[in-house]
Amino acid sequence: DAKTTQPPSMDCAEGRAANLPCNHSTISGNEYVYWYRQIHSQGPQYIIHGLKNNETNEMASLIITEDRKSSTLILPHATLRDTAVYYCIGFRGGSNYKLTFGKGTLLTVNP
Amino acid sequence: EAQVTQNPRYLITVTGKKLTVTCSQNMNHEYMSWYRQDPGLGLRQIYYSMNVEVTDKGDVPEGYKVSRKEKRNFPLILESPSPNQTSLYFCASSYLGSNSPLHFGNGTRLTVT
Repeated sequence: DAKTTQPPSMDCAEGRAANLPCNHSTISGNEYVYWYRQIHSQGPQYIIHGLKNNETNEMASLIITEDRKSSTLILPHATLRDTAVYYCIGFRGGSNYKLTFGKGTLLTVNP
Repeated sequence: EAQVTQNPRYLITVTGKKLTVTCSQNMNHEYMSWYRQDPGLGLRQIYYSMNVEVTDKGDVPEGYKVSRKEKRNFPLILESPSPNQTSLYFCASSYLGSNSPLHFGNGTRLTVT
């Protein structure tokens, strides 16, 4: 699975959009980009995933560049409850279906 | 409600006393997995199962056992717990396929003294 690179931390004002970047320059053609978040010691929560096209759901939007080497997770109106560690993960299944979590980005939403 | 349920939420035990952490999912998922999370080491896979009666080792299987007798349940067994197994444990499940997100339980915080 692709190695991903994320900034260690970001800040965002409450009510503003949070844009979290992720670089995955070694991603393969059949590898999905997944985003999860973990709010202090709770179980990781699935947010969104995509392969080539931009995706949107009730939680967030995912913008994937045309060359698929990077992506951005957008939380359109961040709230204090969105403060969490956000993980960007490349995943294609494989023999053990293992998600490899890196260090992620600590997003702090400030009042 | 679709969910992965782990029990107990917190567990304190002593070295050598066998314990089981239960995990159950109600989504008819084929795939289930156990992870442990430790400060500075992130989430690491312990064991996984692709279907009933099919289990295999992850990255850190030493000291753990699992079983998958039914599709919905995937218990984690520590036959002789040791202090280095003090950790936060997560169970997860999904359908097979890279287009299927993994759903995690709320975790079990285990302390072995």
